[in-house]
Amino acid sequence: QKEVEQNSGPLSVPEGAIASLNCTYSDRGSQSFFWYRQYSGKSPELIMSIYSNGDKEDGRFTAQLNKASQYVSLLIRDSQPSDSATYLCAVYGNKLVFGAGTILRVKS
Amino acid sequence: EAGVVQSPRYKIIEKKQPVAFWCNPISGHNTLYWYLQNLGQGPELLIRYENEEAVDDSQLPKDRFSAERLKGVDSTLKIQPAELGDSAVYLCASSFGAGTEAFFGQGTRLTVV
Repeated sequence: QKEVEQNSGPLSVPEGAIASLNCTYSDRGSQSFFWYRQYSGKSPELIMSIYSNGDKEDGRFTAQLNKASQYVSLLIRDSQPSDSATYLCAVYGNKLVFGAGTILRVKS
Repeated sequence: EAGVVQSPRYKIIEKKQPVAFWCNPISGHNTLYWYLQNLGQGPELLIRYENEEAVDDSQLPKDRFSAERLKGVDSTLKIQPAELGDSAVYLCASSFGAGTEAFFGQGTRLTVV
């Protein structure tokens, strides 16, 4: 079992729709959770961090954490073509581990 | 505030040659990471420093890779000798402390021919 698992996608959504990206992790003691966006040929860019159960909103982005289910998600509202990228989930237990990423495609 | 700075951006070397990558973290960041990223995969941790101490280097292939972080600021990652399979993007990231938000540099794309 991988430490951090994501569906590789691609996830295709129409412009203006909500994109939902999911991530599960294996270390029950994990404390910090992050979402990064990575455009092709670029380095990962931090977009959200979440540390406690529940929802955290920042503009069009909402991160959701459920430690009991070992599940973290990212919702992108009003998706735009510029949101098309690979989204990486990262989890810190005793080290910062990344998933393989989910490719998101927003079609205009 | 300047971000994480890495150099060089690109490097092409022949196999069996040595190569070194340099990273300057965000000012005040005590934690520094080196990651390797292959195409279509997520970053894989090579080594993590807390100040000048390497606290997690379990994934660093120590027969050919070495790293140092002098005075707890800049860091250098070295490969000697390089192999064809080392072709990848090498990413440096830094954060205030372990478990806090980490920010990446632009990365170094290494091609071994």
